[in-house]
Amino acid sequence: AQTVTQSQPEMSVQEAETVTLSCTYDTSENNYYLFWYKQPPSRQMILVIRQEAYKQQNATENRFSVNFQKAAKSFSLKISDSQLGDTAMYFCAFMKQWGLDNNNDMRFGAGTRLTVKP
Amino acid sequence: DGGITQSPKYLFRKEGQNVTLSCEQNLNHDAMYWYRQDPGQGLRLIYYSQIVNDFQKGDIAEGYSVSREKKESFPLTVTSAQKNPTAFYLCASSSQGGSTDTQYFGPGTRLTVL
Repeated sequence: AQTVTQSQPEMSVQEAETVTLSCTYDTSENNYYLFWYKQPPSRQMILVIRQEAYKQQNATENRFSVNFQKAAKSFSLKISDSQLGDTAMYFCAFMKQWGLDNNNDMRFGAGTRLTVKP
Repeated sequence: DGGITQSPKYLFRKEGQNVTLSCEQNLNHDAMYWYRQDPGQGLRLIYYSQIVNDFQKGDIAEGYSVSREKKESFPLTVTSAQKNPTAFYLCASSSQGGSTDTQYFGPGTRLTVL
């Protein structure tokens, strides 16, 4: 079974600075997808970024980028130029590539609570 | 606007009652999912459906039931058999059941048992 671990329950960063959130996962699959979701106080889950395991290039979305280390099974999220609106819970998630014998559900880590301080 | 809606936003239930949480999407997505979120924890899968008239149990299906009579709707019933139903419930959908497509979430329903 796949497991996702986020070892940092809480983090804080000063506005405009950079912060990195850690995520590791355990799987025997070779093809899969990794995601970072943001959950602000409204509790709406918002997709931040996603990475396909077959791609060597790290995904980026504006101020958000990942460091994907497939061999190490590591998938960290870097937030540059942190803004007050980045304050939220951040969840790392894993999903196997679709196949006839899997249910395509996502596995989530326990989350990291990020606070951006003014 | 396209999206996923969940209702109600807050729901209160007396012990022993069944309640139904609504989830509707107008994204023309094939697959829909129900997750449960407890304080300080990630999401856990309750049920999912990859196609109309078909659904599968997730990790914590006991005490819950679903139906998928229409592509756009995937209601979740929390039955009296669910011993600890107080939680935040999130519905999600994706364009193809089982493909690489990303799951998008509704705003959630907060269920409290009185």
